Amino acid sequence: DIQMTQSPSSLSASVGDRVTITCRASQGISSWLAWYQQKPEKAPKSLIYAASSLQSGVPSRFSGSGSGTDFTLTISSVQPEDFATYYCQQYNSYPLTFGGGTKVEIK
Amino acid sequence: EVHLVESGGGLVQPGGSLRLSCAASGFIFSDHYMDWVRQPPGKGLEWVARIRMRANSSTTEYAASVKGRFTISRDDSRNSVYLQMNSLKTEDTALYYCARHAGCINSCYSAMDYWGQGTLVTVSS
Repeated sequence: DIQMTQSPSSLSASVGDRVTITCRASQGISSWLAWYQQKPEKAPKSLIYAASSLQSGVPSRFSGSGSGTDFTLTISSVQPEDFATYYCQQYNSYPLTFGGGTKVEIK
Repeated sequence: EVHLVESGGGLVQPGGSLRLSCAASGFIFSDHYMDWVRQPPGKGLEWVARIRMRANSSTTEYAASVKGRFTISRDDSRNSVYLQMNSLKTEDTALYYCARHAGCINSCYSAMDYWGQGTLVTVSS
């Protein structure tokens, strides 16, 4: 199975800060990586697919990069509505696997 | 607009069975793979199962933790996907989400683009 390791597991940021979350795969997954945002008591929401493609309707302050084993999700200027938990997920091979999540909190 | 609505969750004793349903609307259901993903209370996301389109023989994939106990199926005439859960264990307690695979365009490597709100399964004596 491909293990997905996210770091950090949590972070505190102020509105307007640049936030970067990393995700590392235990083996190469090409660009078959997605990022999801989950707010408390809500379903996950798709943000990015194919490592760097923005889902329709997602603000451009979100961006993704990477390929192979190392990936990043960046929020260029974090907004109040961005405080949530973020998950990466690989879809290169079965079983599909998620990272453990990164909780972005208000400083 | 895409909608996915799960139902069928509830309280069940260890060793029992439960069948979850997910009703889809707003898209051509038969053109999409469908997934089940679960989330134990206060924990992260775990993929459970996938079913491909009828055009791909509705073949299935499972997480090792549920293989042999859970069965995913679909009824394209009802725009629905199901998860039959047998021999339930306490560790199966979770919020179960239905999610849509984004589709096969140049390839079938796609993320999940829409999620339902989930249905809670509690396995306890």
